[in-house]
Amino acid sequence: EVKLQQSGDELVRPGASVKMSCKASGYTFTDYAMHWVKQSPGQGLEWIGTIIPLIDTTSYNQKFKGKATLTADKSSNTAYMELSRLTSEDSAVYYCARSSFTIAAISGVMDAWGQGASVTVSS
Amino acid sequence: DIQMTQSPASLSASLGETVTIECLASEDIYSNLAWYQQKPGKSPQLLIYYANSLNDGVPSRFSGSGSGTQYSLKINSLQSEDVSIYFCQQNYDSPPYTFGAGTKLELK
Repeated sequence: EVKLQQSGDELVRPGASVKMSCKASGYTFTDYAMHWVKQSPGQGLEWIGTIIPLIDTTSYNQKFKGKATLTADKSSNTAYMELSRLTSEDSAVYYCARSSFTIAAISGVMDAWGQGASVTVSS
Repeated sequence: DIQMTQSPASLSASLGETVTIECLASEDIYSNLAWYQQKPGKSPQLLIYYANSLNDGVPSRFSGSGSGTQYSLKINSLQSEDVSIYFCQQNYDSPPYTFGAGTKLELK
């Protein structure tokens, strides 16, 4: 069974950083890309960026460049996202989700999602 | 960036009805369109990819169609467990992948 297990909810101060994790199991970690998606309260979905662990390549939504940093640890099958200089606008639920990156028609189609991690930015 | 416009924003239907949700892309996305279902308090789940391919395990009452810039998701014989928010997403042009704003489906 494919599973993406995300780290827990976070309460952080404005201006601080937070690093969350997404541990993959049930498939070969390096065979897929990992995406991160933001869902603000009562809002839709925003793609933050993607990492391809096999080649350690990242791509970002221009809106999140400088805000999000994606990394991956192949030895532990875990993807990470760090968010920096947090403000109230960053309060949201963040999801990791995997997709193929080798087949064009399904590249970017997110076929498995983590349970989500809530970040609340408050003093 | 490609903009995805979903309609309606909300929808109320009765059990057994057929419902249709539309998604309009700001340019041709060549069928690179996915649909996701998000049940209350849960993460999104893939329903359909490449406009009309049903993901494994998705009931056959769900179907997708369309081409070019216009796409739709149809749910036949609405069930109570279909109460969700539905999102479309284009995976043609990245970065960024973009989602529609969502359609909230409720029971009448």
